[in-house]
Amino acid sequence: QQPVQSPQAVILREGEDAVINCSSSKALYSVHWYRQKHGEAPVFLMILLKGGEQKGHEKISASFNEKKQQSSLYLTASQLSYSGTYFCGTDSVGAQKLVFGQGTRLTINP
Amino acid sequence: DTGVSQDPRHKITKRGQNVTFRCDPISEHNRLYWYRQTLGQGPEFLTYFQNEAQLEKSRLLSDRFSAERPKGSFSTLEIQRTEQGDSAMYLCASSLGVSGRRSTGELFFGEGSRLTVL
Repeated sequence: QQPVQSPQAVILREGEDAVINCSSSKALYSVHWYRQKHGEAPVFLMILLKGGEQKGHEKISASFNEKKQQSSLYLTASQLSYSGTYFCGTDSVGAQKLVFGQGTRLTINP
Repeated sequence: DTGVSQDPRHKITKRGQNVTFRCDPISEHNRLYWYRQTLGQGPEFLTYFQNEAQLEKSRLLSDRFSAERPKGSFSTLEIQRTEQGDSAMYLCASSLGVSGRRSTGELFFGEGSRLTVL
């Protein structure tokens, strides 16, 4: 079942912070976060694993609440390059077969 | 270029025609995934392979869709008798997985093959 992301869209000024949430109804093994710019492929940002391990981007942080099957992506001091659509992808079995949310469109204005 | 490559990047076809897309994954990656993405939506899982074995196929994938990975390297996705509802971006991704063990690696996506069915 598809995870639910919120909000659907965010507009920020450069330097402001944003939080994007991802919620699943299934028990999760891992949560992946990707960013996609218009006309380009999704690009990996972060993996959060059951048990607390994280792998990913130095300037982006995220959390994973295993009990609630929820993850949040934190974008601090946003830069123009952060603009794009952010997708969470959830993996329930550890096969990297991801089910993606509908996306959160982030616009950063100067 | 050592990334995931897809061909063709764009395909325009008439309803009823067959189309085939090719994906060349990163060479050492044993897992290959096909996703479909429509405008404003997240990628939608279609099928995936570990080496040459097709391990799972989405129920969304009708009998008109078939995918192969004959030698465990490149993969093809064929759509027969295309319909207008097949118009979408078809994304391929690859990853390094360990057989029989849970894997935690990232997916590397290609730039996609955009299909337009007239």
